[in-house]
Amino acid sequence: AQSVTQPDIHITVSEGASLELRCNYSYGATPYLFWYVQSPGQGLQLLLKYFSGDTLVQGIKGFEAEFKRSQSSFNLRKPSVHWSDAAEYFCAVGHHSGNTPLVFGKGTRLSVIA
Amino acid sequence: NAGVTQTPKFQVLKTGQSMTLQCAQDMNHEYMSWYRQDPGMGLRLIHYSVGAGITDQGEVPNGYNVSRSTTEDFPLRLLSAAPSQTSVYFCASSGTPWEQYFGPGTRLTVT
Repeated sequence: AQSVTQPDIHITVSEGASLELRCNYSYGATPYLFWYVQSPGQGLQLLLKYFSGDTLVQGIKGFEAEFKRSQSSFNLRKPSVHWSDAAEYFCAVGHHSGNTPLVFGKGTRLSVIA
Repeated sequence: NAGVTQTPKFQVLKTGQSMTLQCAQDMNHEYMSWYRQDPGMGLRLIHYSVGAGITDQGEVPNGYNVSRSTTEDFPLRLLSAAPSQTSVYFCASSGTPWEQYFGPGTRLTVT
């Protein structure tokens, strides 16, 4: 069965600094990978997705993620963090057959300080 | 186009009571899912549906029932509420199994 690990429970970065959130997955074939963001008191919003092709994918709000098959990773990055990026971030993996919904990691909470 | 709507936003139940969490979508999506979110646990799948009349269990189905009589609606029923079911519940829908659109959530407290 597929699984997702987000090693960092909480990360704090300064506004304007770069950001990298880690995600590792366990899956037997090429996975479909996603990053979602959840602002306080809100539902989840899709940031970006990887299905196939170019391993560097661009998303909304200036985020990008890189799929590295050799490391089973799909890390999320942003070159310069804004205070409004403070939220919880979830990595998720989908089965390529499409028969079951996504499996989510436990999330990483991002705090942004001035 | 309202997307995914959930009612109620907040609910307090006593142990043993039953209730139904409502979820509706207006995007004509085939796939709908229910998740619960607990601190430090991420989102865990309760039940999902791949179309009207078809449902299946997820990771944590015990204590919950679902049915899907229409494409638009996917209600979640708590049969006999327990304090362990205190959580935030999210409904999601998608045109594929993966690109899910989430509702705003229902915060449930069971005392």
